[in-house]
Amino acid sequence: KAGVTQTPRYLIKTRGQQVTLSCSPISGHRSVSWYQQTPGQGLQFLFEYFSETQRNKGNFPGRFSGRQFSNSRSEMNVSTLELGDSALYLCASSHATGLIGGANVLTFGAGSRLTVL
Amino acid sequence: SQQGEEDPQALSIQEGENATMNCSYKTSINNLQWYRQNSGRGLVHLILIRSNEREKHSGRLRVTLDTSKKSSSLLITASRAADTASYFCATDANSNYQLIWGAGTKLIIKP
Repeated sequence: KAGVTQTPRYLIKTRGQQVTLSCSPISGHRSVSWYQQTPGQGLQFLFEYFSETQRNKGNFPGRFSGRQFSNSRSEMNVSTLELGDSALYLCASSHATGLIGGANVLTFGAGSRLTVL
Repeated sequence: SQQGEEDPQALSIQEGENATMNCSYKTSINNLQWYRQNSGRGLVHLILIRSNEREKHSGRLRVTLDTSKKSSSLLITASRAADTASYFCATDANSNYQLIWGAGTKLIIKP
């Protein structure tokens, strides 16, 4: 089956602009999580969506937002970009229903690398 | 927030040697997972160990879990150049499906 697809893979923006990243999860997976990864801060949880509802949220400012569509595809948006937003943004999908032994095993996409100039 | 802490932060060994990485966590957990990340790519799930298990094997991987010490170790035997990657542990501590991640161990296998 197809993996998690993230688009675009690379993008360059300037400060003040906004960006939208897209994630298509594995077919049948209803949970989509987003992470920001930087060399200095490691893997930071942004938010998780399940059945179109935000179920968990990390400690990021309101400039970071997301949504999930009825087909489980998800987008995240960052407005008013800052230099510090340069990072690899990772999307991961899972069943996350507790039905598979209660374990939340994530399948990650290859990431979207954002550079803010 | 980061619950897991891996050590060492970086590890460099010769091909063929065994590599051991450790992960410590702070709260009680339901399970612990290990993931691998090749440079600049997404993470790949390696193995999951539940809180009632003490050891688990998968190919050249061996994971142990000591809930009394709140720690886990990942052993990669007979390392290969392709094992060069960063390795992360993630704990599932409650019922809200949110994983808590460690900072990762960067493993370099020298040919």
